[in-house]
Amino acid sequence: SQQGEEDPQALSIQEGENATMNCSYKTSINNLQWYRQNSGRGLVHLILIRSNEREKHSGRLRVTLDTSKKSSSLLITASRAADTASYFCQRTSGTYKYIFGTGTRLKVLA
Amino acid sequence: NAGVMQNPRHLVRRRGQEARLRCSPMKGHSHVYWYRQLPEEGLKFMVYLQKENIIDESGMPKERFSAEFPKEGPSILRIQQVVRGDSAAYFCASSPGSRGGDNEQFFGPGTRLTVL
Repeated sequence: SQQGEEDPQALSIQEGENATMNCSYKTSINNLQWYRQNSGRGLVHLILIRSNEREKHSGRLRVTLDTSKKSSSLLITASRAADTASYFCQRTSGTYKYIFGTGTRLKVLA
Repeated sequence: NAGVMQNPRHLVRRRGQEARLRCSPMKGHSHVYWYRQLPEEGLKFMVYLQKENIIDESGMPKERFSAEFPKEGPSILRIQQVVRGDSAAYFCASSPGSRGGDNEQFFGPGTRLTVL
């Protein structure tokens, strides 16, 4: 499948814990982006990481990219109930190929 | 600056009818992308358009589906003779373009199509 894999498919943690989500892909990429989707809503862009970058931070979010392993991870530190959502990685391959993963459904328990 | 707008938010059609989904990109954005999302799944790319041009429609079914982005007005995704399998959420995204795949995409709230 072109989509690649995200794991875990579902993750349930307590408020204050860290959440790690992984995204693997099969073809070479130009960049990789992470999005959040609240239930029934559109997607919100979180972070873009380019193929020549290894790590990026934004607030409580940290994204890493390992092109040799064709994988990326999203870490949310000190999670909050409001972080409950689905998280998707999107790879850009070639000029216009935008490919989403299957997503991780995160539930943060108060 | 208003975000990406999609309408209608919810659309109900009977089998065989036509569905028209509209997307107004963010101001200044000339690139529009359409995606389809089935329940509990990720988004699947359908089509990428610039003003008056279809750049990539490799993800769009060849029959019954069409898309346009005219010089004036919103982008339209049109589904003719809808079937139950067309029931899904359809999302539109826009970007300023010019840098190919190196652009953040801004997503609209989606149109939820239900085919009875």
